[in-house]
Amino acid sequence: DQQVKQNSPSLSVQEGRISILNCDYTNSMFDYFLWYKKYPAEGPTFLISISSIKDKNEDGRFTVFLNKSAKHLSLHIVPSQPGDSAVYFCAASDRDMRFGAGTRLTVKP
Amino acid sequence: NAGVTQTPKFQVLKTGQSMTLQCAQDMNHEYMSWYRQDPGMGLRLIHYSVGAGITDQGEVPNGYNVSRSTTEDFPLRLLSAAPSQTSVYFCASAREPEAFFGQGTRLTVV
Repeated sequence: DQQVKQNSPSLSVQEGRISILNCDYTNSMFDYFLWYKKYPAEGPTFLISISSIKDKNEDGRFTVFLNKSAKHLSLHIVPSQPGDSAVYFCAASDRDMRFGAGTRLTVKP
Repeated sequence: NAGVTQTPKFQVLKTGQSMTLQCAQDMNHEYMSWYRQDPGMGLRLIHYSVGAGITDQGEVPNGYNVSRSTTEDFPLRLLSAAPSQTSVYFCASAREPEAFFGQGTRLTVV
């Protein structure tokens, strides 16, 4: 059972514009939601997180929004930069941490 | 500042062979886990541990064994490798809520 879903395998945006990556989950017991960034041949690295008691968390160009009633979260990157091109994984944690399938973001100069 | 160290980085096995993927962390984290990454499937949890002596199964545990005798080490054992276990394996340790990942082990079973 895939408890965390990222339905868009890829996203392409122009440099300077907003990137919006989406994630849905099914388990209402998750208490933290996270986004990780992954470059080829490297392990994922932590980007930003949000507690289940909040609906927004911002860190520089990155903002995560959580809609608990819809079991949906999103990552906004503004403005997008070519160095943001990577695979982004959504994750959710309770006793363990589950990941989505990832979205490959390409930011074009 | 090593963080999470995985060895080896690459491995080719023949079907039926056994091997152990090593994982060590120097951050004194209680929580450690193993994931496999396959195209279109993301990161799937194999096994995890919430402390020395405690392990539990994740989403895809079949064909893998783990043990946690120390806080630092969390090895993953393949007792009889199968081609379906060809994948990239990541070890992680976590300090809630953030997980820190190793560089990965690319395993090919022929």
